Amino acid sequence: DTGVSQDPRHKITKRGQNVTFRCDPISEHNRLYWYRQTLGQGPEFLTYFQNEAQLEKSRLLSDRFSAERPKGSFSTLEIQRTEQGDSAMYLCASPLRGHPARSNTGELFFGEGSRLTVL
Amino acid sequence: GQNIDQPTEMTATEGAIVQINCTYQTSGFNGLFWYQQHAGEAPTFLSYNVLDGLEEKGRFSSFLSRSKGYSYLLLKELQMKDSASYLCAVRDRFSGGYNKLIFGAGTRLAVHP
Repeated sequence: DTGVSQDPRHKITKRGQNVTFRCDPISEHNRLYWYRQTLGQGPEFLTYFQNEAQLEKSRLLSDRFSAERPKGSFSTLEIQRTEQGDSAMYLCASPLRGHPARSNTGELFFGEGSRLTVL
Repeated sequence: GQNIDQPTEMTATEGAIVQINCTYQTSGFNGLFWYQQHAGEAPTFLSYNVLDGLEEKGRFSSFLSRSKGYSYLLLKELQMKDSASYLCAVRDRFSGGYNKLIFGAGTRLAVHP
């Protein structure tokens, strides 16, 4: 158990509907990352937050996607007007807190993911 | 940008040793990670290399050669539970966010009795 919780674990929706995923990281982590993983592929970076600020967005994140981290704790990822190509596992990840110069290797701890199926 | 290559699939026998290779290209290398991912589960951290050489952790070892852009993960005394995907990931100092990792597609390892 990495302490990173995601909800819902599974979501089945019809094309064109909106969906929202939530991530609750370990409270002391100031960075939070979202990744997407499709079958047979590795996780692909979507976006990350430093506290409440969204500092980088991938080109994969079209204008139908929006992510927030309003109080620098939990985060949400919303997909509007879902398409079948959005079907994937959406993973949230959080690193160990600490300055890079210390023993922190900076690995990411992943939540169990939210699996989206768009019919 | 970054490019990470690893074999798609490998098979091995229980009790044997298997080596999973990874080659990468990145403009500002700042560490290489190996993760294990069982089907339907989240990736879990296995190892980290930032300097050249071998890092050993029980049955798992990871090697890095920065000049060659090459790493391998060595799994010894294979067990059935080692059947999983193994993901190679690099961190790039020029790619925003100290903890941002770029993953390869993963190597699916099947361990047979």
